[in-house]
Amino acid sequence: DQQVKQNSPSLSVQEGRISILNCDYTNSMFDYFLWYKKYPAEGPTFLISISSIKDKNEDGRFTVFLNKSAKHLSLHIVPSQPGDSAVYFCAASSGNQFYFGTGTSLTVIP
Amino acid sequence: DAGITQSPRHKVTETGTPVTLRCHQTENHRYMYWYRQDPGHGLRLIHYSYGVKDTDKGEVSDGYSVSRSKTEDFLLTLESATSSQTSVYFCAISDNRQGVNYGYTFGSGTRLTVV
Repeated sequence: DQQVKQNSPSLSVQEGRISILNCDYTNSMFDYFLWYKKYPAEGPTFLISISSIKDKNEDGRFTVFLNKSAKHLSLHIVPSQPGDSAVYFCAASSGNQFYFGTGTSLTVIP
Repeated sequence: DAGITQSPRHKVTETGTPVTLRCHQTENHRYMYWYRQDPGHGLRLIHYSYGVKDTDKGEVSDGYSVSRSKTEDFLLTLESATSSQTSVYFCAISDNRQGVNYGYTFGSGTRLTVV
């Protein structure tokens, strides 16, 4: 059963606007969360992380929000740029293994 | 990423043949993982290793075996390839520090097609 879910397979956003990617998880033992970005024909690359002791982490244009009570994670990209067009995976861990969502394909329209 | 390489990058094989994919790292990380990526399923763990000769199964391990005879190499073997194993395979490494896994570094992937 999928422990990490990304219910939106795709998202289109105009350049300069905000992109919001969502992720839900079911295991309350997860204590560390990551977002990865993946371009075609490449491996996923680390984007941003957050631990369960925080509810927000910011890195430049990227901010991750964690709502533990709702078991919900979101990634905000502001402002969105065409180079942000990629597949984004969220991942969650409670130990040595990460569980990944199914990915959201983001298209930023110039 | 220069610290982790996968070979081959692409492979086409016939049903029933054995196939071995190789992952090589130069980071001296303890943990190594094999994932497969399929549409609608995201990344799913096949097997992982937490040291030389120490391996364990992931959620989709049926039909796969692994070996790790030295720190830098982690091999994934399909004993008898089936069409359902057509996928993109990613190797990943991680460096657990003080019991915390700060995330993976992924290889570039191997696209395997079983015909």
